Amino acid sequence: KNEVEQSPQNLTAQEGEFITINCSYSVGISALHWLQQHPGGGIVSLFMLSSGKKKHGRLIATINIQEKHSSLHITASHPRDSAVYICAAISYNTDKLIFGTGTRLQVFP
Amino acid sequence: NAGVTQTPKFQVLKTGQSMTLQCAQDMNHNSMYWYRQDPGMGLRLIYYSASEGTTDKGEVPNGYNVSRLNKREFSLRLESAAPSQTSVYFCASSVFGRAPGELFFGEGSRLTVL
Repeated sequence: KNEVEQSPQNLTAQEGEFITINCSYSVGISALHWLQQHPGGGIVSLFMLSSGKKKHGRLIATINIQEKHSSLHITASHPRDSAVYICAAISYNTDKLIFGTGTRLQVFP
Repeated sequence: NAGVTQTPKFQVLKTGQSMTLQCAQDMNHNSMYWYRQDPGMGLRLIYYSASEGTTDKGEVPNGYNVSRLNKREFSLRLESAAPSQTSVYFCASSVFGRAPGELFFGEGSRLTVL
């Protein structure tokens, strides 16, 4: 079992829908990243958070340290949001990043 | 600002050939990383460099060497390529620490070893 698990693996949505991607982890962490990988392959950092909630535009990331769970929400989804979303946890003991395998999102017009 | 620049973007090698992947960042970051990404698996750390002149092994270092030439550049060398090294390689950089702050990634280098 991976130390960082994402669900769902694949997600399709109609434009305008509210999207939720989940990330659960089994190790103690100091922080967690959400990353976006475009269809062309490039990876950009969306959020790094260690508690609570962060918002940027239509994207919202939350984390619950006690439940070892984080979510990425996209409001009013758009076809340009189509990408792979990756969560990566920073292990508290080793300081290493542990990556999930990603959630592939497709948003149709 | 170019951010993180990787070259080449694509490469095909025969088993046993050698090659170097180049990475440069223009953000004055201390920390640089090399990852590989394989289908169905998360990104895995090959090597890490906390600062110029220092390097450290990650999860999957076997078959690779690295060189932190200066603060800007961090290269990854395959001395004798094997089919198991077929992958997409990403270079990344961050401001500080083994527990990184915001990460910046290169566009990736797709390597095929025949």
